[in-house]
Amino acid sequence: DAGVIQSPRHEVTEMGQEVTLRCKPISGHNSLFWYRQTMMRGLELLIYFNNNVPIDDSGMPEDRFSAKMPNASFSTLKIQPSEPRDSAVYFCASSSTGLHSEQFFGPGTRLTVL
Amino acid sequence: EDQVTQSPEALRLQEGESSSLNCSYTVSGLRGLFWYRQDPGKGPEFLFTLYSAGEEKEKERLKATLTKKESFLHITAPKPEDSATYLCAVQARRDDKIIFGKGTRLHILP
Repeated sequence: DAGVIQSPRHEVTEMGQEVTLRCKPISGHNSLFWYRQTMMRGLELLIYFNNNVPIDDSGMPEDRFSAKMPNASFSTLKIQPSEPRDSAVYFCASSSTGLHSEQFFGPGTRLTVL
Repeated sequence: EDQVTQSPEALRLQEGESSSLNCSYTVSGLRGLFWYRQDPGKGPEFLFTLYSAGEEKEKERLKATLTKKESFLHITAPKPEDSATYLCAVQARRDDKIIFGKGTRLHILP
């Protein structure tokens, strides 16, 4: 089992550029989560999908952030335009039974916006 | 406002020296409390879920307990490989939102 796969692992970009983060959940899992982790704010849930449908996006900080899940095996988190305060580690997680249970996290994408 | 506070922020122990990590929470109706372990450069790894006051769960040298206001993660006779950041999260029954604490960085000295 490959676990949750995220790409890229590291991304360095300049302010104003578009950034796309990618996630492949564990096969068979029907729930997918995007988190952001910073020293100041800790781990924050951005958005949650169940069966490819966004259920709760109240954690998405601004309209610059958007997430899609076109099928059960792929999701993207896009930031456009990016800003230096978006610098953080972004994690994707998946679970087989929704929001109420064990989540399996990917290795994260470390984003640096200059 | 729902919130989670973990203490201490950091803890250094000698190998074999038992201790406890604290997670205090305020939530309007607890659906569940989760403990995760996070190693540097990696994503969090699930440890336990607790649902009601009085519940306890164990895994190797770790035991998690829950009251109506806080949870403890007890570590017995820790080893250097137990060094990690331990994260606590609560889920509110009202809206299912999950809130993470900022974690406790645990360092076990050989």
